[in-house]
Amino acid sequence: EAQVTQNPRYLITVTGKKLTVTCSQNMNHEYMSWYRQDPGLGLRQIYYSMNVEVTDKGDVPEGYKVSRKEKRNFPLILESPSPNQTSLYFCASSPNRGRVAFFGQGTRLTVV
Amino acid sequence: AQSVSQHNHHVILSEAASLELGCNYSYGGTVNLFWYVQYPGQHLQLLLKYFSGDPLVKGIKGFEAEFIKSKFSFNLRKPSVQWSDTAEYFCALTRNSGNTPLVFGKGTRLSVIA
Repeated sequence: EAQVTQNPRYLITVTGKKLTVTCSQNMNHEYMSWYRQDPGLGLRQIYYSMNVEVTDKGDVPEGYKVSRKEKRNFPLILESPSPNQTSLYFCASSPNRGRVAFFGQGTRLTVV
Repeated sequence: AQSVSQHNHHVILSEAASLELGCNYSYGGTVNLFWYVQYPGQHLQLLLKYFSGDPLVKGIKGFEAEFIKSKFSFNLRKPSVQWSDTAEYFCALTRNSGNTPLVFGKGTRLSVIA
């Protein structure tokens, strides 16, 4: 089954404690991206990757890092989380940047 | 830069009522347009898409949308909503030139009451 898998689904952490949210897709898609969803703001792109070892900033990259060492994986790293990064995070993949995106189930992160 | 506007933040309808959710975009070139739906507690799923051709596109679950280029609009419609349509709906676009990002509107929450 074609899918985008994120882990964990829920995470509560403390300010400053480094964390990683994993994302994996099994569709051999080249393009992957991370979004955060906040009430009243919709989805905003954090980072994207057009292929292995190619990543770039989206609209709200501050406080986040990503890596793309393999085509299927695109982890999101928060080196020093802060409460304003409390949000719902979605990973997405697509064959290329302009086409239909498939979304993961989401990760609800709370930073206290 | 392109942007997407969804006029209604929250729409409340009774079952069997007709639905129309507004979506306007700002970009002078050719675009690909999408509607995604997010059911409570779930991820975004594609409802329908427009790339080219017939401006009236039909999606899953009886939804349709009409691309009106002169109005820069891509409104979502459904003749008769059901309680199970309660969800948040997002309009999105990409430019039809090169590799461009998916830009989302802020979403419209639809509540269907029995």
